[in-house]
Amino acid sequence: AQSVTQPDIHITVSEGASLELRCNYSYGATPYLFWYVQSPGQGLQLLLKYFSGDTLVQGIKGFEAEFKRSQSSFNLRKPSVHWSDAAEYFCAVGASNDMRFGAGTRLTVKP
Amino acid sequence: NAGVTQTPKFQVLKTGQSMTLQCAQDMNHEYMSWYRQDPGMGLRLIHYSVGAGITDQGEVPNGYNVSRSTTEDFPLRLLSAAPSQTSVYFCASSYSRGGRGNTIYFGEGSWLTVV
Repeated sequence: AQSVTQPDIHITVSEGASLELRCNYSYGATPYLFWYVQSPGQGLQLLLKYFSGDTLVQGIKGFEAEFKRSQSSFNLRKPSVHWSDAAEYFCAVGASNDMRFGAGTRLTVKP
Repeated sequence: NAGVTQTPKFQVLKTGQSMTLQCAQDMNHEYMSWYRQDPGMGLRLIHYSVGAGITDQGEVPNGYNVSRSTTEDFPLRLLSAAPSQTSVYFCASSYSRGGRGNTIYFGEGSWLTVV
């Protein structure tokens, strides 16, 4: 069965610094991969998704993610973090009838 | 454009009570699902539906019941609430089977506390 691991429960970065959130997945075939963001008290918003093709995917709010099949990873990056990026981020892998989510990484942004 | 609408947003139940979380979408999506979100565990799939009249179990279905009489609505029923069902519940929908790469749209969540 597919699964997703987000190794970092909580990350703190300074505003303006670069960000990388890690995601590792387990799936037997080519996965469909997603990153979602959740602000406090809100639902999940899709940041970006990977189906096939170019392994570097651009998303909303200046985020990008790179699919690395050899490492079973789909890490999320942003070159310069803004205070409004503070939220919880979820990586997900989709296959057949359901999506599997990681446990999430909470991002704190220091002024 | 309402998207996915969940009600109620907050609810407190006593152990043993039953209740229904309502979910409606106005995007004519075939696929609808319910997730629960617990700290440190991400979102876990409870039940899903691939169309009116068709439902199936997800990862954590015990204690929950669903039905899909229309394309728009997908209510989640708690049959006899237990403290372990204290959680945040999200309804979601997508154009087709969400796992095949279609974007899933989430409701804003329903906070349920069972005392």
